[in-house]
Amino acid sequence: DADVTQTPRNRITKTGKRIMLECSQTKGHDRMYWYRQDPGLGLRLIYYSFDVKDINKGEISDGYSVSRQAQAKFSLSLESAIPNQTALYFCATSEAGQAQGNQPQHFGDGTRLSIL
Amino acid sequence: AQSVTQLGSHVSVSEGALVLLRCNYSSSVPPYLFWYVQYPNQGLQLLLKYTTGATLVKGINGFEAEFKKSETSFHLTKPSAHMSDAAEYFCAVSVSTGFQKLVFGTGTRLLVSP
Repeated sequence: DADVTQTPRNRITKTGKRIMLECSQTKGHDRMYWYRQDPGLGLRLIYYSFDVKDINKGEISDGYSVSRQAQAKFSLSLESAIPNQTALYFCATSEAGQAQGNQPQHFGDGTRLSIL
Repeated sequence: AQSVTQLGSHVSVSEGALVLLRCNYSSSVPPYLFWYVQYPNQGLQLLLKYTTGATLVKGINGFEAEFKKSETSFHLTKPSAHMSDAAEYFCAVSVSTGFQKLVFGTGTRLLVSP
């Protein structure tokens, strides 16, 4: 079984719909992240969470919201989907290292979201 | 602020040839550097990382990278390409102040021909 599981893997929806992407992990990591990947742009951070009570905006949070339901679960919502939110979305986790920046992130397999 | 530049969105090599994927970073404080690989329909997988110490870092699948502070580079190499190496490769940088924010490059797609 995957350590970081994203559901659904693929989703097609219409403009204006609300959609939720879910992420669960069995790694026991405190830190969780949501990214979107667009061709030629790499990965950009949407939201991140240090723990259940600590959620922070990333560089492209407009139009998105998140919920950290438990240490193992971190959901991303699009309240009113628009076509330019069509992208590949990734959830990731990491440990809280002694030196903050040196812990690698572990990624799920992604959710391919298409908004018509 | 940190940033990463990957030169070349596509790199083509023949099977058995040297693989060289270029990454240059910008950081005002000592960086941590990572290379990730993404196979089709999969998430990113860590290839290797540089934190402190030895500047030549060995990773999985025969890849290695060398941290060169004077050149602000962290290029990825593999002596002999294999067909299974065809994938997209991402360089990323983070720093030790605050939380771990990874800044990714735009990626390089490696194509391997027989």
